[in-house]
Amino acid sequence: EAEVAQSPRYKITEKSQAVAFWCDPISGHATLYWYRQILGQGPELLVQFQDESVVDDSQLPKDRFSAERLKGVDSTLKIQPAELGDSAMYLCASSPTGQNTEAFFGQGTRLTVV
Amino acid sequence: AQSVTQPDIHITVSEGASLELRCNYSYGATPYLFWYVQSPGQGLQLLLKYFSGDTLVQGIKGFEAEFKRSQSSFNLRKPSVHWSDAAEYFCAVGRARGKLTFGQGTILTVHP
Repeated sequence: EAEVAQSPRYKITEKSQAVAFWCDPISGHATLYWYRQILGQGPELLVQFQDESVVDDSQLPKDRFSAERLKGVDSTLKIQPAELGDSAMYLCASSPTGQNTEAFFGQGTRLTVV
Repeated sequence: AQSVTQPDIHITVSEGASLELRCNYSYGATPYLFWYVQSPGQGLQLLLKYFSGDTLVQGIKGFEAEFKRSQSSFNLRKPSVHWSDAAEYFCAVGRARGKLTFGQGTILTVHP
């Protein structure tokens, strides 16, 4: 069964350092999402791509976060510099083209900023 | 703005008992509704979804949910809970290929 792949699974970084996460969506899925899930809360959308274009990045803290999906396939989310409050689970999801479709989530990257 | 409320932060049930997890939403149009389950440290797995049609939807692992437009609710039910159902459950609302808005989650504990 096809899955959304994310790496690394766990990342510990010091504050003020740069950190990056990678996501490979299910093959053929045009829509890709990055969500952030703070412990004890539901996921919140950071950025949504349709192919290589950003559709929604209204909740992305653009002073320190960036996201790209250069060829419309895999994607990278970067934080620079990391802050203590960035400690969270970062979830990638993808969905296929079509009206009645759902998002498929990866296993996530657990980030701890120390 | 769309929003989802899961009134119960934590529910404890005995194995074999029935379960109902509540979900209320606010959305400007006919929503797509979802229930996801998350085990500790893991990603989200889709349990079931509602797009249109029959308001009672069946999902995986014996779960079902009922969409009640008049009450803006989409409650999740299971007639007999198994110990392996212990996890955190999230209700979400959205549109096709659009962003999902999640509730705060309900943690389910199952006693033997």
